[in-house]
Amino acid sequence: NAGVMQNPRHLVRRRGQEARLRCSPMKGHSHVYWYRQLPEEGLKFMVYLQKENIIDESGMPKERFSAEFPKEGPSILRIQQVVRGDSAAYFCASSPRRGMGEKLFFGSGTQLSVL
Amino acid sequence: ELKVEQNPLFLSMQEGKNYTIYCNYSTTSDRLYWYRQDPGKSLESLFVLLSNGAVKQEGRLMASLDTKARLSTLHITAAVHDLSATYFCAVDISGNQFYFGTGTSLTVIP
Repeated sequence: NAGVMQNPRHLVRRRGQEARLRCSPMKGHSHVYWYRQLPEEGLKFMVYLQKENIIDESGMPKERFSAEFPKEGPSILRIQQVVRGDSAAYFCASSPRRGMGEKLFFGSGTQLSVL
Repeated sequence: ELKVEQNPLFLSMQEGKNYTIYCNYSTTSDRLYWYRQDPGKSLESLFVLLSNGAVKQEGRLMASLDTKARLSTLHITAAVHDLSATYFCAVDISGNQFYFGTGTSLTVIP
């Protein structure tokens, strides 16, 4: 049973370009979460999605950032017009169900570098 | 906003020694998680603590939760080099998102 798969592993973009980060949850998991980690900091919640629905996007910047989890295919975190401050590691996690006490399974992350 | 604080932030310890990492959080919750992260890698789940007084042990690591004090501890017994990593605690209050501490970077010296 493959774990949470994220790609690409590393992504380099110039300021103003778009970044697309992909996440395939573990088999049987329909809940996906995106977190951002800045150097030497903990992870910060961005968004929580179920298939075709955004459940909680309270941690996501209002502009330039969007996320989706379509019926078919991976979850996508999209960052438009990237700026240097977007450079970070972006982690995706999944769980089989929502709720209290459900641990999250994390992917290996995408390291985004903005030049 | 919920705050989760860990201390120490950096810990250098000799092999064979014992030490405790502390995780304090600012609001009521009885769901606390510990994760380990190796450099450049993902987070690996260590413990899930779901009630006041919960204690879990795996090898040289033992985690406990005191919900009244809003405190969790991760105790390391007789440290070995393989335990060198960054350890994060995380609190869940809504089932939607985890609030992570800033992490404790542990280095075990031979």
